Amino acid sequence: DSGVTQTPKHLITATGQRVTLRCSPRSGDLSVYWYQQSLDQGLQFLIQYYNGEERAKGNILERFSAQQFPDLHSELNLSSLELGDSALYFCASSARDKFGEQYFGPGTRLTVT
Amino acid sequence: DQQVKQNSPSLSVQEGRISILNCDYTNSMFDYFLWYKKYPAEGPTFLISISSIKDKNEDGRFTVFLNKSAKHLSLHIVPSQPGDSAVYFCAASARGYQKVTFGTGTKLQVIP
Repeated sequence: DSGVTQTPKHLITATGQRVTLRCSPRSGDLSVYWYQQSLDQGLQFLIQYYNGEERAKGNILERFSAQQFPDLHSELNLSSLELGDSALYFCASSARDKFGEQYFGPGTRLTVT
Repeated sequence: DQQVKQNSPSLSVQEGRISILNCDYTNSMFDYFLWYKKYPAEGPTFLISISSIKDKNEDGRFTVFLNKSAKHLSLHIVPSQPGDSAVYFCAASARGYQKVTFGTGTKLQVIP
């Protein structure tokens, strides 16, 4: 158990819809990262937050947005969903000075039909 | 643009033998490298890392080698055990940037 929790575990929705994925980091970690893993693909970095502020951005679509709240949990919002958005979405957290050593949650499997 | 490449999607090794997983990178700014292991239905788990000031780092059965001139790193697992069967991701980052770039992974199967 990494200490990072993600909800829901599975999500099935239709094209055009909007969903919210939730992540709670390990106790004490201020950084939260979001990744997308599509079939046969590596982990694609989406976005990072540190103590409520956006710190780094990857290949995140404009239809996607994220935020980190004062209690440090984070939400990833995916809107106008397309079939190609079906993937595993991972959240990770890290200690302040060890951003490379990230602790991953179990992921949310999103299926868009 | 795949800056971190793992060209072998899969690898099979007999139990007790050495497993060697390879990774190449293209970005000269990368100075910190990591390996993660992932079991099905779980998130990746950090395994071992190496800074660019070193060429080798060892942790038990796991050793990572870095060849900066060739922009290549490898993970050696000796001896391999069936519990090592998983997908291994190579990752890299650059000083001053908090983004970590992952490879596409190599699926290791250790045969008993």
